[in-house]
Amino acid sequence: KAGVTQTPRYLIKTRGQQVTLSCSPISGHRSVSWYQQTPGQGLQFLFEYFSETQRNKGNFPGRFSGRQFSNSRSEMNVSTLELGDSALYLCASSLGRGTGETQYFGPGTRLLVL
Amino acid sequence: GEDVEQSLFLSVREGDSSVINCTYTDSSSTYLYWYKQEPGAGLQLLTYIFSNMDMKQDQRLTVLLNKKDKHLSLRIADTQTGDSAIYFCAEKAAGNKLTFGGGTRVLVKP
Repeated sequence: KAGVTQTPRYLIKTRGQQVTLSCSPISGHRSVSWYQQTPGQGLQFLFEYFSETQRNKGNFPGRFSGRQFSNSRSEMNVSTLELGDSALYLCASSLGRGTGETQYFGPGTRLLVL
Repeated sequence: GEDVEQSLFLSVREGDSSVINCTYTDSSSTYLYWYKQEPGAGLQLLTYIFSNMDMKQDQRLTVLLNKKDKHLSLRIADTQTGDSAIYFCAEKAAGNKLTFGGGTRVLVKP
């Protein structure tokens, strides 16, 4: 089975712009979660989508949003970019059936905001 | 509340055992995980343990869980240079949200 894929792998934007990142989960997985990784704050949960609905949300401002499509692929969007949004954005997929399942991570998208 | 703590750095000689420690605070955690991250890469799931277990062994990896003290450890036997990486422990309570520790950088010296 192919793993979790994320596109693009690298991105450079300027302050005030917006960006859209994409995540394709492992085939058959219906849950996609997004995490932000920065040197200062570490790994922080952004949100989770299951069956096209946001099921769980972290403590991030409204500039961070996401969606999920019927094929379980997910996108996250960050509007009005700030320098502090520079980070590695990781998505993880799982079956979505319950607490006991494991999440598998993609390679991440590294975003640099100038 | 949720908080996961790890030591920052561990240096070990090739062939020795490594032990990485983690403490967590959420007593409702159901599963605890260990992930490995190599430079420029995402997170690789190494192993996990259910909260009603004390120990889990998986080849060179041994996970110990002390639920009373909320202490989790990962032992890597016969550590190799390819084990040099950052190791994250994570807890999961309800839902699919993982709360991660800050990561332990492991350096394996030949």
